Amino acid sequence: ETGVTQTPRHLVMGMTNKKSLKCEQHLGHNAMYWYKQSAKKPLELMFVYNFKEQTENNSVPSRFSPECPNSSHLFLHLHTLQPEDSALYLCASSPRQGDYEQYFGPGTRLTVT
Amino acid sequence: QKEVEQNSGPLSVPEGAIASLNCTYSDRGSQSFFWYRQYSGKSPELIMSIYSNGDKEDGRFTAQLNKASQYVSLLIRDSQPSDSATYLCAVNPGADRGSTLGRLYFGRGTQLTVWP
Repeated sequence: ETGVTQTPRHLVMGMTNKKSLKCEQHLGHNAMYWYKQSAKKPLELMFVYNFKEQTENNSVPSRFSPECPNSSHLFLHLHTLQPEDSALYLCASSPRQGDYEQYFGPGTRLTVT
Repeated sequence: QKEVEQNSGPLSVPEGAIASLNCTYSDRGSQSFFWYRQYSGKSPELIMSIYSNGDKEDGRFTAQLNKASQYVSLLIRDSQPSDSATYLCAVNPGADRGSTLGRLYFGRGTQLTVWP
């Protein structure tokens, strides 16, 4: 596989469920990002990891928990979500955090019921 | 507050015309600028990056940057129906901005429709 992959592509979960989103990049990059895209709103940065270290948490509620075991993999653990958390969750990567182009995965369309 | 403003559109042009997409940003110290294309239901795809004042051309796409006016634009020549998408402008304030290192600020996007 090439580029940035994300699984699952679609997820429906109840408010009491626990699920995880997975992102993998095959570009040899060292920075990875989670974004949230809701209808009619700009892309919102959630978390940034640079060389496996979290460098930014954009005031994200604790029901979203990121994990970056290595520079190629990024997870977003979800628990007790709210219906307003329904959105497209996008993973991106770049060579390093800084003035570098970011490349996005296909996203996970999340619906919270 | 770092803001990136785009005309939400929709912008509608006939096939073969030049589509002009505009973006303004609030942080005067911004260092790098990107245009992404996003088809409905898909993720953003990087199409252009520009770092210096002036024009940068890549095929039918030309990005134009004017840092003094805090303005970046994307021109699409010979527009095709396949260019119909939402175009996102993204700005990175740059490495000397502390915790904003490597952070992209996105506009809401301009929806472009190219009709045959």
